[in-house]
Amino acid sequence: KNQVEQSPQSLIILEGKNCTLQCNYTVSPFSNLRWYKQDTGRGPVSLTIMTFSENTKSNGRYTATLDADTKQSSLHITASQLSDSASYICVVRRTGFQKLVFGTGTRLLVSP
Amino acid sequence: SAVISQKPSRDICQRGTSLTIQCQVDSQVTMMFWYRQQPGQSLTLIATANQGSEATYESGFVIDKFPISRPNLTFSTLTVSNMSPEDSSIYLCSVEKLAAQRGGTDTQYFGPGTRLTVL
Repeated sequence: KNQVEQSPQSLIILEGKNCTLQCNYTVSPFSNLRWYKQDTGRGPVSLTIMTFSENTKSNGRYTATLDADTKQSSLHITASQLSDSASYICVVRRTGFQKLVFGTGTRLLVSP
Repeated sequence: SAVISQKPSRDICQRGTSLTIQCQVDSQVTMMFWYRQQPGQSLTLIATANQGSEATYESGFVIDKFPISRPNLTFSTLTVSNMSPEDSSIYLCSVEKLAAQRGGTDTQYFGPGTRLTVL
């Protein structure tokens, strides 16, 4: 079954600290994996898109990793800011399919 | 990139009524998508809106309940018909932009969403 699982479900960290969010998937055949940030009351915004051949991709303080062998991805946030408080959604696309497979998201709260 | 606007941004409706949500994109796109996001949950695809043909609905969603129009390459509407409290959700419009270069990655962009509350 094609699924995307994220952990933890929610996370609270202090401002300035780092954190890592996890994504495991069983989607096949794999095309690419995306991380989205969704602020409360807004639509998701793309942070990174990674294909099979990419291991690491950065976008400012966000760094995503992908291990296609173990079907795992992580999103590392460095020096967190209050504005990082949001839901982070891992999304996988299957080759040849239009429909995306969404994870349930990790809700991050950055506390002052 | 793509800039997507939705109207209304939020609404409170009575049971049994219908609401039409509009989605406008700043550039022509082939495929537009409608998603539902229930409180505390991730996104669920309702249907794919194709210009010039009927929308393609996902399992659990039917045209009578969620009729969709796609009159041109920059605009689509989703109607939530005969609403009940279970329809209270955020409804999101999304588009896919094809990769600019061969071998590049297609990117999906989302609108800000329409927050619907049904009493």
